[in-house]
Amino acid sequence: NAGVMQNPRHLVRRRGQEARLRCSPMKGHSHVYWYRQLPEEGLKFMVYLQKENIIDESGMPKERFSAEFPKEGPSILRIQQVVRGDSAAYFCASSPTALDGGTEAFFGQGTRLTVV
Amino acid sequence: TQLLEQSPQFLSIQEGENLTVYCNSSSVFSSLQWYRQEPGEGPVLLVTVVTGGEVKKLKRLTFQFGDARKDSSLHITAAQPGDTGLYLCAGAGTGNTGKLIFGQGTTLQVKP
Repeated sequence: NAGVMQNPRHLVRRRGQEARLRCSPMKGHSHVYWYRQLPEEGLKFMVYLQKENIIDESGMPKERFSAEFPKEGPSILRIQQVVRGDSAAYFCASSPTALDGGTEAFFGQGTRLTVV
Repeated sequence: TQLLEQSPQFLSIQEGENLTVYCNSSSVFSSLQWYRQEPGEGPVLLVTVVTGGEVKKLKRLTFQFGDARKDSSLHITAAQPGDTGLYLCAGAGTGNTGKLIFGQGTTLQVKP
């Protein structure tokens, strides 16, 4: 049973380019969460999606960032016109149901985005 | 806004010592999860506590959820160099909020 798969593991983009980060949740999981982490810090929530729907995007910048989780295929976090401040590790997590009542979330290995 | 205050942020100890990491909030959480993260890797789930007052043990690690479900602690007995890493607590809100709120993390270094 494969875990949460993220790709690419490392991504280098020049300022102004687009970055596309992919996340395939664990089998049977329909809830996906994206987080951003700066070095030596905790994880900051960005967006929560449940198959084709954005449930909560309160942590995502209003401009340049978007996320989707189509009926078929992985979830995509898209960053347009990247800037140096977007450099960070981006983690995806998935769960089988919503995160209350003790449901557990499992994380992928992350995508490390470097903007040069 | 729910916040989790994790302390200490950094801890450097000798092998064999005991330590405790704390997570505190003014908010009630439906559950609290503890993760460990190695450099360059994703967080790995250690344990989930759900019931107020719950205590769970994982070898030398003891996790406790406060009676009011607002705080939690992780105690490591006789720490070993292999325990070195970043420890993260994360709380799930009550209701279908969809988020895990993370503490700032505790970077633990255990010296041989």
